[in-house]
Amino acid sequence: EAQVTQNPRYLITVTGKKLTVTCSQNMNHEYMSWYRQDPGLGLRQIYYSMNVEVTDKGDVPEGYKVSRKEKRNFPLILESPSPNQTSLYFCASSSPGEGMNTEAFFGQGTRLTVV
Amino acid sequence: GDSVTQMEGPVTLSEEAFLTINCTYTATGYPSLFWYVQYPGEGLQLLLKATKADDKGSNKGFEATYRKETTSFHLEKGSVQVSDSAVYFCALSDLYTGNQFYFGTGTSLTVIP
Repeated sequence: EAQVTQNPRYLITVTGKKLTVTCSQNMNHEYMSWYRQDPGLGLRQIYYSMNVEVTDKGDVPEGYKVSRKEKRNFPLILESPSPNQTSLYFCASSSPGEGMNTEAFFGQGTRLTVV
Repeated sequence: GDSVTQMEGPVTLSEEAFLTINCTYTATGYPSLFWYVQYPGEGLQLLLKATKADDKGSNKGFEATYRKETTSFHLEKGSVQVSDSAVYFCALSDLYTGNQFYFGTGTSLTVIP
């Protein structure tokens, strides 16, 4: 089954304690990205990656890091989380697919609370 | 740059009412257009899509037509059900910007019996 898997689904942590949210896809997609979803703000892109070892900042990259060492994995790293990073996070993957845009597949989301 | 503007919510409708959620876009290339739906506690899933002008996407009774002349992709359903209660996101993907996706802010729909 084609899917994007994020872990954990829920996480409560304290300010300053480094954490990683994992994301893995089994569709051999080149393109992966991270979003955060906040009330009234919709989805905002944090980082994206167009292929292995190619990453770039999205609209709200401050306080986040990513890496893309393998095609299937795209972890999101918060080196020193702060309360304003409390949010719902989504990982997504897609592929251009023979010149036509194809859909983005989303993970189930990670609800992060930083206290 | 590319962007999507979507009707503000929340929207509350009675069962069997007609639904329209407006969506307009700005794009530098020739984008594909999508509607995603997010049910409570879940991730986003594709509802329908259209890849070129005048295409109509449809699924589960929902429809949207790609209108290049008005740069719009409005979502419609003739008779909503309680199970349609969700948040709906309009989105575009443009190969000219590396297949990045751009999302609207989402419209929350509640259907009451």
